[in-house]
Amino acid sequence: GAVVSQHPSRVICKSGTSVKIECRSLDFQATTMFWYRQFPKQSLMLMATSNEGSKATYEQGVEKDKFLINHASLTLSTLTVTSAHPEDSSFYICSARAGNQNLYEQYFGPGTRLTVT
Amino acid sequence: AQSVTQLGSHVSVSEGALVLLRCNYSSSVPPYLFWYVQYPNQGLQLLLKYTSAATLVKGINGFEAEFKKSETSFHLTKPSAHMSDAAEYFCAVSDQGTGGFKTIFGAGTRLFVKA
Repeated sequence: GAVVSQHPSRVICKSGTSVKIECRSLDFQATTMFWYRQFPKQSLMLMATSNEGSKATYEQGVEKDKFLINHASLTLSTLTVTSAHPEDSSFYICSARAGNQNLYEQYFGPGTRLTVT
Repeated sequence: AQSVTQLGSHVSVSEGALVLLRCNYSSSVPPYLFWYVQYPNQGLQLLLKYTSAATLVKGINGFEAEFKKSETSFHLTKPSAHMSDAAEYFCAVSDQGTGGFKTIFGAGTRLFVKA
């Protein structure tokens, strides 16, 4: 149980274009989803937290107009990187928290490798 | 806000030797603590978690961690290293803020296992 998937697993896009990454909770309802970013050989940095049906809360220093997060349903959140640039190339990992159980625990997706050329 | 500090960005052990990866937490309330492993170009795998039950927590792949409040530590150990244990290990804490809990990661420790 508690499986989170991401799609695509890898994506290459040209500088200036936008790319959307999907995060789905497959066997539970995720009232809260999280997006992390991991640069090579670094740790995971929380970008934003989103609750279903609400606007996402972004961490300090994260551009909300560049990283658009939509959490339209209890099983799907999307991250859109707008006008991507090479410095946005990174490993993006989403996670999800189930509704009313184990509020401290998050289930992580397998990650999406974004390369901007 | 709660945080974790991992001591040592790199740890190298010989195959069969004890693995000890250090993690200290900063928290004013009983924390929820986790250890994750990440293999190259892969996502995270949960090794074990502390949720204020038993202070000695056993995880997968022979790993365990002991919660020591007096030392604010949650070090990860394994009695005998295997080559397959070579990976990046992250200690994490679940930080409760105004929006609820969110997981905050340490900087990570890369484990090298020598034959």
